[in-house]
Amino acid sequence: QKEVEQNSGPLSVPEGAIASLNCTYSDRGSQSFFWYRQYSGKSPELIMFIYSNGDKEDGRFTAQLNKASQYVSLLIRDSQPSDSATYLCAVNPGSGTYKYIFGTGTRLKVLA
Amino acid sequence: GAVVSQHPSWVICKSGTSVKIECRSLDFQATTMFWYRQFPKQSLMLMATSNEGSKATYEQGVEKDKFLINHASLTLSTLTVTSAHPEDSSFYICSASDISGLYEQYFGPGTRLTVT
Repeated sequence: QKEVEQNSGPLSVPEGAIASLNCTYSDRGSQSFFWYRQYSGKSPELIMFIYSNGDKEDGRFTAQLNKASQYVSLLIRDSQPSDSATYLCAVNPGSGTYKYIFGTGTRLKVLA
Repeated sequence: GAVVSQHPSWVICKSGTSVKIECRSLDFQATTMFWYRQFPKQSLMLMATSNEGSKATYEQGVEKDKFLINHASLTLSTLTVTSAHPEDSSFYICSASDISGLYEQYFGPGTRLTVT
């Protein structure tokens, strides 16, 4: 059973701090990794994707991938109250499929 | 870019009737489209995967005769909930993968279905 695990939270950080969200996956052959943000009552929105080991930065967001340790993380710098949402980690296992395996999500609260 | 629309955004129907939900990729061609369901405070649940011109692949436990999926073109997929019952009330979300992309899925805004 291929799994993606996230701490459900809530993770509370003060405004302006760095929020660190983590995700581990069980399938070592997984190819690509995605972070989505989902506000309550809304659909998921793609924030970042990463395919190679290391860091990938986009504005206030940095995705980090370590395939050897089978984890992927998302850092949010200068957290804002508007960042308060559930963050979903999704893993594409490869082998030509477009399907994802989703984690259950981490709820982030940024305190003003 | 990478915009996916859904219609309607919300619908109320009576028990026993059928409801059709449309999912369109507006600015890209979608190799594959996915249909998810999400109950309040729960995770996304994949219902089925559809590819243009072929039959949808349903996840285990999803009734294919109840949730009819048609993917007639590279930009349109439809989900029809047949003989709807109150337990089918949920948030239905589609996503689409860009034919020229690398496995990213772009989600539509979702359709909230209430069956009375």
